[in-house]
Amino acid sequence: KNEVEQSPQNLTAQEGEFITINCSYSVGISALHWLQQHPGGGIVSLFMLSSGKKKHGRLIATINIQEKHSSLHITASHPRDSAVYICAVRSPGGSQGNLIFGKGTKLSVKP
Amino acid sequence: NAGVTQTPKFQVLKTGQSMTLQCAQDMNHEYMSWYRQDPGMGLRLIHYSVGAGITDQGEVPNGYNVSRSTTEDFPLRLLSAAPSQTSVYFCASSYPGSYEQYFGPGTRLTVT
Repeated sequence: KNEVEQSPQNLTAQEGEFITINCSYSVGISALHWLQQHPGGGIVSLFMLSSGKKKHGRLIATINIQEKHSSLHITASHPRDSAVYICAVRSPGGSQGNLIFGKGTKLSVKP
Repeated sequence: NAGVTQTPKFQVLKTGQSMTLQCAQDMNHEYMSWYRQDPGMGLRLIHYSVGAGITDQGEVPNGYNVSRSTTEDFPLRLLSAAPSQTSVYFCASSYPGSYEQYFGPGTRLTVT
């Protein structure tokens, strides 16, 4: 069983829709990351959170430590949001390299 | 700032050849790491370094060597390429004490 599971694997939405991507993990963590991988391959960090909720523009990330679950929401989705969204968790006490990655959710937003 | 740079962008090797993937960052980050990304799998850590002169193995280190002689550079060496090493390789760096990682653009390697 993967330690980090994302759902759905693939998601197609119409422009303007509200989107939710889920991440569940089975290990104790010190932090959870959301990353975005562009169609060209580049990876950027969107959020790092250890509790609660963070918002950046149209993106909102939440985490429930007790339930070992995080969600990434995109409001008013746009075709430029089309990308692979990756969840990664860091174990407590682990070095900065010890991230465990999910397989990613491929999002396609149609105009 | 150029951020994290990787060269080459693409490379084709024959089985048994060796090569070095280059990674450099100009942000004075102490922490650097190498990942590989394969279809249907999450990114997997190959090797990492917490500072010049200090390296350690990640999840999938076999067949790869690293060294860190300067803060800026963290090359990844393939000793004898195998088709199983066909992958996209990403280098990343971060500040000490900060968990946010900055990724390079990736190197797509094909081993025939």
